[in-house]
Amino acid sequence: GQNIDQPTEMTATEGAIVQINCTYQTSGFNGLFWYQQHAGEAPTFLSYNVLDGLEEKGRFSSFLSRSKGYSYLLLKELQMKDSASYLCAVMDSNYQLIWGAGTKLIIKP
Amino acid sequence: GAVVSQHPSRVICKSGTSVKIECRSLDFQATTMFWYRQFPKKSLMLMATSNEGSKATYEQGVEKDKFLINHASLTLSTLTVTSAHPEDSSFYICSARDFRGDSTEAFFGQGTRLTVV
Repeated sequence: GQNIDQPTEMTATEGAIVQINCTYQTSGFNGLFWYQQHAGEAPTFLSYNVLDGLEEKGRFSSFLSRSKGYSYLLLKELQMKDSASYLCAVMDSNYQLIWGAGTKLIIKP
Repeated sequence: GAVVSQHPSRVICKSGTSVKIECRSLDFQATTMFWYRQFPKKSLMLMATSNEGSKATYEQGVEKDKFLINHASLTLSTLTVTSAHPEDSSFYICSARDFRGDSTEAFFGQGTRLTVV
């Protein structure tokens, strides 16, 4: 079966760095997405990785290792507004998005 | 990025009535639209995939007669929750993609909070 695993909840301090991991087992792979979702709102796109390596976009970076079925989202210089759920999603061979359950990130002052 | 507009954002309806939710792609043609349902503190659950001009493909366990999906044009898809019951209360989100181009990103609507009383 297809499976996406990510931690349920993480806590970090304002100004610090946090890494949210995602491991996946899917039928085929056409890329991995990270989305941010604030409570009561729709997800917003953060990053897309299809090749191995690190993609940096401002305070956010995303890493992919296809051989290990592993990705992480790295958030630097954390701000209170970064408190949200972070969803990992993998596009399978049918170009369908398989979603993880999301990681709730709590930022403390 | 591309804009997907979903309407209404919130709706309260009486049990037994039907509710229609619209999803429009404003600046691109969406060959495929996805409808998701999200329960509190849970991830997105794909309900169905609709391609323009053809019948929607429903995920296992989703009642096609209860959740009617119409994708009549490349910019509009609708989800109608028929004979709604309190257990249908949820957050419904649409997502649109254009498979013809190079973009693989899925653009999301703002979501619709449905409360059935």
